[in-house]
Amino acid sequence: SQKIEQNSEALNIQEGKTATLTCNYTNYSPAYLQWYRQDPGRGPVFLLLIRENEKEKRKERLKVTFDTTLKQSLFHITASQPADSATYLCALASNSGTYKYIFGTGTRLKVLA
Amino acid sequence: DGGITQSPKYLFRKEGQNVTLSCEQNLNHDAMYWYRQDPGQGLRLIYYSQIVNDFQKGDIAEGYSVSREKKESFPLTVTSAQKNPTAFYLCASSTVDSGVTEAFFGQGTRLTVV
Repeated sequence: SQKIEQNSEALNIQEGKTATLTCNYTNYSPAYLQWYRQDPGRGPVFLLLIRENEKEKRKERLKVTFDTTLKQSLFHITASQPADSATYLCALASNSGTYKYIFGTGTRLKVLA
Repeated sequence: DGGITQSPKYLFRKEGQNVTLSCEQNLNHDAMYWYRQDPGQGLRLIYYSQIVNDFQKGDIAEGYSVSREKKESFPLTVTSAQKNPTAFYLCASSTVDSGVTEAFFGQGTRLTVV
């Protein structure tokens, strides 16, 4: 069955450092990979989308890579700030015409001041 | 303001009762989704709909039912057949006319069985 793995342990980093979160998947060939931010008690908010034919995507301090050979995506936040503390979810979707998003378990990031 | 609205924010249900969670969107999105989130876990898909009057089961549809009579609305009923309904429920919507795009989420409904 399709499986998405994100590091379930919380990631603590110092302010100003780069945070790197990992999303691995198996038994799936997604055409799209997305990253969302979720704050406690709230719905996820979309951050970035990357397609299978794209290696890297950037938006301000965020960078996403997508390696379909390794079946892995890396999500980087540069110059991290305490306000970046949240849970980050990766989501996969195919291009089969069924617009169904499959989510990982999320990684909780805490940026220490 | 365009967006997706879930209500109520908190819901308490007695065992054996059915309850309906509301989800309304004014984004003119064709697709709508219901997810369940348990503590420390990701989002699990319950049902999704890509067009009015049509919907498909997700990975954990047992004990739930939905309807899609209007484009704007996708209510979820948690039936008494759902063995462990206490969870955080999230509704989302997206467009379908230009490939996969971002999903917009509501603020969620926290359901507690008492």
